[in-house]
Amino acid sequence: NAGVTQTPKFQVLKTGQSMTLQCAQDMNHEYMSWYRQDPGMGLRLIHYSVGAGITDQGEVPNGYNVSRSTTEDFPLRLLSAAPSQTSVYFCASSYRDGRDTEAFFGQGTRLTVV
Amino acid sequence: DQQVKQNSPSLSVQEGRISILNCDYTNSMFDYFLWYKKYPAEGPTFLISISSIKDKNEDGRFTVFLNKSAKHLSLHIVPSQPGDSAVYFCAAISSGTYKYIFGTGTRLKVLA
Repeated sequence: NAGVTQTPKFQVLKTGQSMTLQCAQDMNHEYMSWYRQDPGMGLRLIHYSVGAGITDQGEVPNGYNVSRSTTEDFPLRLLSAAPSQTSVYFCASSYRDGRDTEAFFGQGTRLTVV
Repeated sequence: DQQVKQNSPSLSVQEGRISILNCDYTNSMFDYFLWYKKYPAEGPTFLISISSIKDKNEDGRFTVFLNKSAKHLSLHIVPSQPGDSAVYFCAAISSGTYKYIFGTGTRLKVLA
């Protein structure tokens, strides 16, 4: 049982380049989300999805696109990379059963934009 | 507008003593709270949670306390061990939603 798998683990981009961060989960969770972690800022929500075909913006969505064509996959696209997007990115999937909930995180992608 | 706040960026504790990590929130709609632990170069992992209908939840060395009137929760680790050294995030989620709101984290260092 792999849980949440993110690829790549590391990436260096030049300003203006585009790329896609991949995220896949095998737990059949409806909810998936992308966060970025920056020093002193905690984990900030970029985009999230409550099911296939349904996505919405989080706290810091500018410069990122997402789509959710299957339950398993939730890729994050950087359209034109900027140095401000240098960060560590985490994908998570979660369930909600009444009040009970838990989010499972991938190992992260460390992105540097030069 | 930061809905979940961890006002202590770092904390150092001697091995064997108690570690107390604090978290404050502003949104009264939050009905479930979680603590996550994060080691360098790894994703956050779930540690312990508490529903808003409870005021305490224990799991081994870890206890979470919730004070709804003060909008405050705390994580107690007793006894602290060097392997507990990590960044701890508190998170909150509102009833009927899936959106986790995280605090900024507290770096705990347990000294041997």
